[in-house]
Amino acid sequence: LAKTTQPISMDSYEGQEVNITCSHNNIATNDYITWYQQFPSQGPRFIIQGYKTKVTNEVASLFIPADRKSSTLSLPRVSLSDTAVYYCLVGDRASGTYKYIFGTGTRLKVLA
Amino acid sequence: SAVISQKPSRDICQRGTSLTIQCQVDSQVTMMFWYRQQPGQSLTLIATANQGSEATYESGFVIDKFPISRPNLTFSTLTVSNMSPEDSSIYLCSAQENTEAFFGQGTRLTVV
Repeated sequence: LAKTTQPISMDSYEGQEVNITCSHNNIATNDYITWYQQFPSQGPRFIIQGYKTKVTNEVASLFIPADRKSSTLSLPRVSLSDTAVYYCLVGDRASGTYKYIFGTGTRLKVLA
Repeated sequence: SAVISQKPSRDICQRGTSLTIQCQVDSQVTMMFWYRQQPGQSLTLIATANQGSEATYESGFVIDKFPISRPNLTFSTLTVSNMSPEDSSIYLCSAQENTEAFFGQGTRLTVV
């Protein structure tokens, strides 16, 4: 079972900031939170990863509250090319191997 | 970051036949995984490809149907055996170092 829950879909307009929140109530102490982006007919692409507080890179910011039970991916000033599916992931270590179990993802549609 | 090449990128196969998908990574990686993504759906983990030993399969996937090889730290194959139309899907290889995973473009398989 996926360890994360996120909205199935979101719509936004070009130039707006988009925030996608993900729930991971059972996150383990040493788990990181990782976000991936997937365009049609392509494999998922790494966006950002964090452990706590705030992480920012050239494409996004990731906000993680102190309890780490949720996280928010923030995409500043989205464009049409940001239309994609966004996956929030935490690792699964149950088998002794750190692996990713994908949830539903959030299908973001950016409108002109 | 690791670059992953998958072959073939797509194929149309007759039911009852088998197809072997190759995954080549441009650097040595500790972990490799195989996922399946059905149209419009999220990714489902098939198995962990263990170097030098048998793969570890997720619930619902078996070795007889999806035999996997991993002869070294840069290469793995997934075979889809005795195919049926229900096996039509995109199959993705993933290479992972610690908590960062990289994905290939996938192999789009159509079984007729």
